[in-house]
This record gives sequence, structure tokens and C-alpha cells, in this order.
Amino acid sequence: DAMVIQNPRYQVTQFGKPVTLSCSQTLNHNVMYWYQQKSSQAPKLLFHYYDKDFNNEADTPDNFQSRRPNTSFCFLDIRSPGLGDAAMYLCATSTIGQNNQPQHFGDGTRLSIL
Amino acid sequence: GQNIDQPTEMTATEGAIVQINCTYQTSGFNGLFWYQQHAGEAPTFLSYNVLDGLEEKGRFSSFLSRSKGYSYLLLKELQMKDSASYLCAVLDSNYQLIWGAGTKLIIKP
Repeated sequence: DAMVIQNPRYQVTQFGKPVTLSCSQTLNHNVMYWYQQKSSQAPKLLFHYYDKDFNNEADTPDNFQSRRPNTSFCFLDIRSPGLGDAAMYLCATSTIGQNNQPQHFGDGTRLSIL
Repeated sequence: GQNIDQPTEMTATEGAIVQINCTYQTSGFNGLFWYQQHAGEAPTFLSYNVLDGLEEKGRFSSFLSRSKGYSYLLLKELQMKDSASYLCAVLDSNYQLIWGAGTKLIIKP
């Protein structure tokens, strides 16, 4: 009964080769988030969608783009991955405005750059 | 600026009790969350505090003092599977989660 599903679990790409990570949810939450997390560090928020409204964090590199075609799906596109982009990418959902529910995370996609 | 402080690493013994502290300075406050994260896995929700006091949930309890900008997570009857990182996160006035870097808890037999 997975509720936030990320695919793939592990992704290997070449330096500079575009890659897309996907996330889907069955919770019907109105907010979806993409985080980047490196070893022993806090998750770093890249983007979030409040319904269809896209919010880009000020320090998110232009190399990172996101799409949310509908409530259930969200994609993270890395246009030209560099070695520094190797990390765990976490998708999360929540229902802001309704009792401040916790963010529910997918299992994450671990991205390696060759 | 916004800041969450928690110890980098703690060590405890199986069967014992451990308290992980978290202090925060954020623009606004809409609640504090504790998450558990095992190595290589995603964070999983443990507890949520928005009012002062203690919330108990089985072996885990979480305490909040808003006036002091302080919370702690208390883990009782420690088990080896409790070895993980514990992340404190505050929901600020913009409903953004401000994360601490996490406390790595090492449990020894």
C-alpha cells in the first residue's frame, strides 16, 4: 500500500546526460516536494507545488527543472548532471492547511553520476 | 536566518534511554516534527508537536517548549533497530519545513 512512489530506486547516468526522476502519490495531497539529500546532511528543498502553483527555492540551480502534470504525478528533470548532483532525491507530499499533516516521503531515488 | 541545532552523533546502550535535543530559531512556528532515517532510506515520520508539553507514542516521546525554542525526542528501551539518524524539522510561517542536519544514534549491545 505504498502511498508515495518514486521510480527508479537507483539511477545511474553519465556526466552531462539528462535524467528524469518520477514520483507519484495515491494520497491526493495538494502539496508535492522535491528534496536533495547528501550524506549526513539535512534534506535540501529544491521545489514544491501547492496544487498547480510552482515554487522554486532561490538557490536551486537552473540545471534542475520540475513538472507536475496532474495531482498525482511530479517529475524532476536534471538537464546536465554534474558530479556534484550525485545524491538521494526525495519526493514528499503533504496537505498544508489541514492540521499541518506531516510530509510523507517516497523511498527516494539514489542518483549516481559516472 | 533560520536555524535548527541538534547534536551530530550520540551513542547509547541497548535497553537504555536516550534523549535527543533540538533547538530552533525560525521565522514563525507551525509545529515541530521528528523523523527517523535509516542509512540509505527516506525519512519516516515519528512525531508532531505544536503545543507545549509531552507527546507519548509507545517507546518514543517528544517534548516541546515554544518559549525556549526547544524540543527533545526520548527513546526508551532502546533496540538495535533504533540505530538511525533522527531529524528535527520545524514548519515555519510559510509552511516550509526547516530541517536540522540530524543526530546519528549508535546503539551498542
